[in-house]
Amino acid sequence: DVKVTQSSRYLVKRTGEKVFLECVQDMDHENMFWYRQDPGLGLRLIYFSYDVKMKEKGDIPEGYSVSREKKERFSLILESASTNQTSMYLCASRDGGRSSQPQHFGDGTRLSIL
Amino acid sequence: QKEVEQDPGPLSVPEGAIVSLNCTYSNSAFQYFMWYRQYSRKGPELLMYTYSSGNKEDGRFTAQVDKSSKYISLFIRDSQPSDSATYLCAPVGDSGYALNFGKGTSLLVTP
Repeated sequence: DVKVTQSSRYLVKRTGEKVFLECVQDMDHENMFWYRQDPGLGLRLIYFSYDVKMKEKGDIPEGYSVSREKKERFSLILESASTNQTSMYLCASRDGGRSSQPQHFGDGTRLSIL
Repeated sequence: QKEVEQDPGPLSVPEGAIVSLNCTYSNSAFQYFMWYRQYSRKGPELLMYTYSSGNKEDGRFTAQVDKSSKYISLFIRDSQPSDSATYLCAPVGDSGYALNFGKGTSLLVTP
């Protein structure tokens, strides 16, 4: 089974802090994704990476950046955290580059910005 | 018009009921249809994956796709309290990278 591990289940940070969310997958998947999930808004794509050091903006990239230095690890960075970035963050990975392949999700990081 | 629409619910049914969860979409290029189940405080997990119109059955779950109406359904027979979760539909085309998630329908199965 594919395992996608997010480093923290719960995280509390202060406004203005630089925040790092880490995600590791163990199946040598090429593609990795970061979403945020909010009540009433569903899952929204922040960034995705189709290969090491490659990234593409999703629907809501403002205020975020990403890093993928190794194939198994994809990091989401909040450059200067704000309260409107309080959310559930979900990482996913996928084998291959076709959108028809399913994505496999981690259990999420619930981030609170105070 | 949003690309993928789902009734958010919550939908509450008694144990043993047949549940119908529905999703509509607007993009005729969608060819693959996924249903994800998400338990509280967990990530979504793939439940069903179908291609083209018709039915696909897996145990108590049946996924139905009607491409002509752009309508997809997930049926759960003999529903159990353990089926209580949010169900997300995700139709997708053959190009691009991202899935197109609906906002999900919350289901509660009461004993």
